[in-house]
Amino acid sequence: KAGVTQTPRYLIKTRGQQVTLSCSPISGHRSVSWYQQTPGQGLQFLFEYFSETQRNKGNFPGRFSGRQFSNSRSEMNVSTLELGDSALYLCASSLGTGGVQETQYFGPGTRLLVL
Amino acid sequence: AQKVTQAQTEISVVEKEDVTLDCVYETRDTTYYLFWYKQPPSGELVFLIRRNSFDEQNEISGRYSWNFQKSTSSFNFTITASQVVDSAVYFCALSERTGGFKTIFGAGTRLFVKA
Repeated sequence: KAGVTQTPRYLIKTRGQQVTLSCSPISGHRSVSWYQQTPGQGLQFLFEYFSETQRNKGNFPGRFSGRQFSNSRSEMNVSTLELGDSALYLCASSLGTGGVQETQYFGPGTRLLVL
Repeated sequence: AQKVTQAQTEISVVEKEDVTLDCVYETRDTTYYLFWYKQPPSGELVFLIRRNSFDEQNEISGRYSWNFQKSTSSFNFTITASQVVDSAVYFCALSERTGGFKTIFGAGTRLFVKA
């Protein structure tokens, strides 16, 4: 079974631009979560999508948004990029049954550099 | 509120030494899950283990073992006879029902295994 895939793997943008990152979950997984990883803040939860609906949200500004398609693929968008948005963005998929026992499987991440 | 503390920022050992990574958590839920993930230099988080709050049995998988103690809210991870390939950042994580099954990660422990 193929793992979680994320595209692109690397991205360089300038302040003020916007960016869209893509994540394809493991086949059969219906939940997709996004995390931001930075040296200073560690791994922080952005949001989770299940059946095309945002089911949970972390504490990030509205510049960070996401969506999920009917095939469970997900995209996240960051508008008006700031230098502090430079980070590794990780996507994780899980079955999505909603139980707390969910195990998340992570993709390789998209490394975003904002200049 | 849930919280995960990994007090050890970095650990350096020589190959074949045993090493224990500490994880202390806080939660008000009676039902929760604990996880350990490994993040090698490539960036992808690799799932290692999941343990639920009702199962305090220790687990051993090859050179890896985990000690879960609810009395001290700890879920420690031991690598026996460490190898250079064990060099990575290790994350402990907690998932609880309160807050909608968000997974909270500790800050991570960077393990260096020298040949």
